[in-house]
Amino acid sequence: NAGVTQTPKFQVLKTGQSMTLQCAQDMNHNSMYWYRQDPGMGLRLIYYSASEGTTDKGEVPNGYNVSRLNKREFSLRLESAAPSQTSVYFCASSEDLGQPTYNEQFFGPGTRLTVL
Amino acid sequence: GEDVEQSLFLSVREGDSSVINCTYTDSSSTYLYWYKQEPGAGLQLLTYIFSNMDMKQDQRLTVLLNKKDKHLSLRIADTQTGDSAIYFCALDTGGGNKLTFGTGTQLKVEL
Repeated sequence: NAGVTQTPKFQVLKTGQSMTLQCAQDMNHNSMYWYRQDPGMGLRLIYYSASEGTTDKGEVPNGYNVSRLNKREFSLRLESAAPSQTSVYFCASSEDLGQPTYNEQFFGPGTRLTVL
Repeated sequence: GEDVEQSLFLSVREGDSSVINCTYTDSSSTYLYWYKQEPGAGLQLLTYIFSNMDMKQDQRLTVLLNKKDKHLSLRIADTQTGDSAIYFCALDTGGGNKLTFGTGTQLKVEL
């Protein structure tokens, strides 16, 4: 099992350019998430998908769009990149076992994005 | 929303115990988690505690939960250089499977 994979690992964009970050998981998980990590701010949830065909906004959704293409894949799109979107982006997935039980999230290795 | 705070840095000597603290504002979480992030990698679950427990021990790790003070801590006994990483506490808040992560504590283990 590869777990959660993300592409690309690194990316440099100019302000105004667009790009899509790809994420895939092979654990048959229902839920998938996109986070950004900034120094001193921990991880902040951008969007999540509780199941195939559904997406919901997280804490910091502005400037981003997502697509849950199928159960395996969850992509994050920056339509017009801004320097404030320079960050490390993590995708994660989890199995939805229902309440109440603990819910481990499995993380990909991250994409380091710089917007000039 | 939920505020989850951690100290940014902690430095310890190899062999000593490390204590990483986490304070939060929302007391409705069912499970509270500790994740570890090694340099250049994603996060991995270390351990978790159910909200009706005060303590959980897992080999070198001890988790303490004080619900009255809204305080969670992670103690690592006999800290090794391989424990150098960023540690995040996380709470299940907002319903569903969402987690709110703390700001992260960078642990540096010196020889």
